[in-house]
Amino acid sequence: QSALTQPRSVSGSPGQSVTISCTGTSSDVGGYNYVSWYQHHPGKVPKLMIYDVSKRPSGVPDRFSGSKSGNTASLTISGLQAEDEADYYCCSYAGSYTFGVFGTGTKVTVL
Amino acid sequence: EMQLVESGGGLVQPGRSLRLSCAASGFTFDDYAIHWVRQPPGRGLEWVSGISWNSGSVGYADSVKGRFTISRDNAKNSLYLQMNSLRAEDMALYYCAKDLGPGGWFYGMDVWGQGTTVTVSS
Repeated sequence: QSALTQPRSVSGSPGQSVTISCTGTSSDVGGYNYVSWYQHHPGKVPKLMIYDVSKRPSGVPDRFSGSKSGNTASLTISGLQAEDEADYYCCSYAGSYTFGVFGTGTKVTVL
Repeated sequence: EMQLVESGGGLVQPGRSLRLSCAASGFTFDDYAIHWVRQPPGRGLEWVSGISWNSGSVGYADSVKGRFTISRDNAKNSLYLQMNSLRAEDMALYYCAKDLGPGGWFYGMDVWGQGTTVTVSS
């Protein structure tokens, strides 16, 4: 039950786009369309940003989008804003034995 | 307003036990799966355990399997995590989190509590 692999950090200037990858295996990311993404500001509660690979909960700006190709899921933040600076985690269902696994986390810095 | 409130954290010696609780309000508790997620100091989020709406499916991370037991009481709108044989590496902020889809499992966690801190130290 290894954590999904994410880059440790990504950065961009306001208005730019950044993409965070989340690499797993055919037993988790590649095997199910149950990938979700969470924004976590230090000291705050994690917030669901994307579910079912690419769906946005109500209230989440459409600047946030998700996709998946093979064993890798991605979160793209377009039109980067200062308030987007946070840690981001992916999470995937991994079957009825392993159940769930989070990614290693990515710190997004707005330059 | 949908809300989850954790309790039961504290300081415990290695090898001892602790029981966490999570009280839900503002939604139909017995329609949704609920999870426990933890964050050790300075580290990332880790899924710990989850339980389906009717307790028919339960799951555990390998790191806690055999030591932790998740349960729920739908009549009391409450979730529990019995943690036995605690280790230093179990020290973390423990969140309970509601699954997004009614009757579903791992669609996404849309409501989170503020967390309760477990400290394991002699």
